[in-house]
Amino acid sequence: GAVVSQHPSWVICKSGTSVKIECRSLDFQATTMFWYRQFPKQSLMLMATSNEGSKATYEQGVEKDKFLINHASLTLSTLTVTSAHPEDSSFYICSAPGGSRVEETQYFGPGTRLLVL
Amino acid sequence: AQKVTQAQTEISVVEKEDVTLDCVYETRDTTYYLFWYKQPPSGELVFLIRRNSFDEQNEISGRYSWNFQKSTSSFNFTITASQVVDSAVYFCALSEGVNSGYSTLTFGKGTMLLVSP
Repeated sequence: GAVVSQHPSWVICKSGTSVKIECRSLDFQATTMFWYRQFPKQSLMLMATSNEGSKATYEQGVEKDKFLINHASLTLSTLTVTSAHPEDSSFYICSAPGGSRVEETQYFGPGTRLLVL
Repeated sequence: AQKVTQAQTEISVVEKEDVTLDCVYETRDTTYYLFWYKQPPSGELVFLIRRNSFDEQNEISGRYSWNFQKSTSSFNFTITASQVVDSAVYFCALSEGVNSGYSTLTFGKGTMLLVSP
């Protein structure tokens, strides 16, 4: 299957700082990538759809100004958590479809654990 | 709105037992895709299978098998002769919007499988 990487794998930061998480498709191009958030012992919740060359589409209840998404190239999407607070502590996972068709299987990155103190 | 229900929150079995993980879904789409993912303690989601709504054939892959029944809107997953390495959280997911040119995943809450020696 397709390989998706994320960096960093974990980050600890102070409240009020901004944190950038990178998601890369390593062996394929992805015009669309997805960002999910997962709290402990809960399911994955879609936060936003990242579109290369255009604005991201955010799910209801997700603050656009809080979670900035930039899809700068066909292999890279970044999620910036601005002015992070302890309630933003979570497991953030990105995914990318493994092909050009909309129904393609999504392949997931290894995730980034964020802890805001 | 679509919905995925995994009624079993946690299942504990002894090694070599067979175990079935249930998944029931709701959707108004005529074309949709169903997925199973495995999430081991490391956190990374591992793709297991994808099934489209027009293909009700059961599938077997080694110790894994899947039973898709459109009549009952179920897509159950069976592990035969379970092993300790099968211990993980398993997510069932449903794609949405394929006919509209986009596809997002809705995840069930997951079933934690614990296989003891």
